[in-house]
Amino acid sequence: AQSVAQPEDQVNVAEGNPLTVKCTYSVSGNPYLFWYVQYPNRGLQFLLKYITGDNLVKGSYGFEAEFNKSQTSFHLKKPSALVSDSALYFCAVRDRNQGGKLIFGQGTELSVKP
Amino acid sequence: GAGVSQSPSNKVTEKGKDVELRCDPISGHTALYWYRQRLGQGLEFLIYFQGNSAPDKSGLPSDRFSAERTGESVSTLTIQRTQQEDSAVYLCASSPGTVYEQYFGPGTRLTVT
Repeated sequence: AQSVAQPEDQVNVAEGNPLTVKCTYSVSGNPYLFWYVQYPNRGLQFLLKYITGDNLVKGSYGFEAEFNKSQTSFHLKKPSALVSDSALYFCAVRDRNQGGKLIFGQGTELSVKP
Repeated sequence: GAGVSQSPSNKVTEKGKDVELRCDPISGHTALYWYRQRLGQGLEFLIYFQGNSAPDKSGLPSDRFSAERTGESVSTLTIQRTQQEDSAVYLCASSPGTVYEQYFGPGTRLTVT
């Protein structure tokens, strides 16, 4: 069965510091991996995806994520956090052999303090 | 261009009543998805449509839930005989195909009293 784990319910960082939001996954085949962000009272917004190729993918708002097949991880990173990055972040996986549905993690609340 | 739209934005209904939720995908997107997000939780897949293929209904939690899609446009999610545990935000998403990222609508917040 497919699954996604986001081991941290909340991540707190100071503005200007690097941030990491962790994600590990389990699929039977090769994965497509995604990060989405949800701001308060707003819908989910796509940040970035890994489909194939370079393990380091860059996305919107300066975010990037590294696909690590051996560790089945896809951690989200940003070199310098902004207060405006504070939001709920979701990791999602799609098994290439299981159609289009996404399996989401439980979400990680990122709080960036000035 | 216009994004995914959903209506109504909020729906309060009494236990046992039927509700219909509507989703208008981005024009030209062949794939359409429904998810449910309970308070403080991640998204739970319900159903998806891809072109003229049979829909993947594997996420529907019970036979009280059903969904239809007209061609490659509007979709409706119907919940019959609503229960309090159905209270959640129902999110619709669309994509140009199943390989691509999904674009989400603002959701319908359903409250069953």
